[in-house]
Amino acid sequence: SQQGEEDPQALSIQEGENATMNCSYKTSINNLQWYRQNSGRGLVHLILIRSNEREKHSGRLRVTLDTSKKSSSLLITASRAADTASYFCATDGNQFYFGTGTSLTVIP
Amino acid sequence: GAGVSQSPSNKVTEKGKDVELRCDPISGHTALYWYRQRLGQGLEFLIYFQGNSAPDKSGLPSDRFSAERTGESVSTLTIQRTQQEDSAVYLCASSPGGVSPLHFGNGTRLTVT
Repeated sequence: SQQGEEDPQALSIQEGENATMNCSYKTSINNLQWYRQNSGRGLVHLILIRSNEREKHSGRLRVTLDTSKKSSSLLITASRAADTASYFCATDGNQFYFGTGTSLTVIP
Repeated sequence: GAGVSQSPSNKVTEKGKDVELRCDPISGHTALYWYRQRLGQGLEFLIYFQGNSAPDKSGLPSDRFSAERTGESVSTLTIQRTQQEDSAVYLCASSPGGVSPLHFGNGTRLTVT
């Protein structure tokens, strides 16, 4: 069975606003990764956070991890129209389980 | 350097025919994954190869699905006697293994008519 579940399923915001997406998972992990997918094709890796980390930043991205709640959040600050995409969390294990994704629309 | 390459990019086939999808991973990447993504859905794990170890086939949905990988190079995913529910984008990803991100190809969009 798949591991991650993103919330919300869809999110629509105005350009310049912040976007927050959440991911919940079921079992223990060593690391959690976030990916972006444009146009239903290949995914692009955004950021990786290890289980002993609580927060990580990369440019306009901020990821938090709460292993006690088995959850992670991805914050995109000062959103741009180009951020419109689907965002997935993935937890490690042999199989790299992906969630169902959050579809983000940034309105110019 | 070159990324993960998948071919064909699009495949239309008739129900009942066999199809073969190809994935060329990044050179040196020991791990290779196949996923299926139905329209508007998340990624469904199919199979995982790591070096010369036995592959993890636990995600293959039926015995019509099989995959092979020669060493640490090309992989092929074969679907026999295709059904309409097999229509999806099939994504391949590779990684150096360990704590590393996955590098995805652009996928093969399979349509079974």
